Amino acid sequence: DSGVTQTPKHLITATGQRVTLRCSPRSGDLSVYWYQQSLDQGLQFLIHYYNGEERAKGNILERFSAQQFPDLHSELNLSSLELGDSALYFCASSVFRAPLHFGNGTRLTVT
Amino acid sequence: QQQVKQSPQSLIVQKGGISIINCAYENTAFDYFPWYQQFPGKGPALLIAIRPDVSEKKEGRFTISFNKSAKQFSLHIMDSQPGDSATYFCAASPMNRDDKIIFGKGTRLHILP
Repeated sequence: DSGVTQTPKHLITATGQRVTLRCSPRSGDLSVYWYQQSLDQGLQFLIHYYNGEERAKGNILERFSAQQFPDLHSELNLSSLELGDSALYFCASSVFRAPLHFGNGTRLTVT
Repeated sequence: QQQVKQSPQSLIVQKGGISIINCAYENTAFDYFPWYQQFPGKGPALLIAIRPDVSEKKEGRFTISFNKSAKQFSLHIMDSQPGDSATYFCAASPMNRDDKIIFGKGTRLHILP
């Protein structure tokens, strides 16, 4: 068990809808990373927060946003969902830099 | 320059054989090179990592070989076992920056019993 908790484990929703994915980092970790995993694209970096502040953005769509709260948990918001957004979404945490500790992901299915 | 290229995409090895997965990078600012192992339904988990000041690191049956001049690194799994069947990701992290850890596209390894 990595100590990183992601909820929900599975999410099925329709196109055009909005969902929120939640991540609780390991105790003591200040950094939270979000990754999207699809079969053909591997792990794509979306965004990184450190102690509540956005540190870096990767290939994150404008329809997606995230935040890290004072208690260090993070939420990834996905809106105007499209079929192509179906993927596994992973959260990872670390004290500052690598190594990353990953949660078990949220599987999003957009129908 | 931010890419990490991983090969092969999939690999089948007989039990007891050596599994070899290769990665290449272009950005010379990368200074940390971890390998992650992912089982179905689970998130990736750190397996072993190396920094560019050493050419090899071994942990049990797992060895990372690092060639700084060629900008390549590889994972060797000795005496491969069916329990090693998983997806393996190499990654690279830039020097003095915590923002991006770039992953390769992964290798699906299957060990035949």
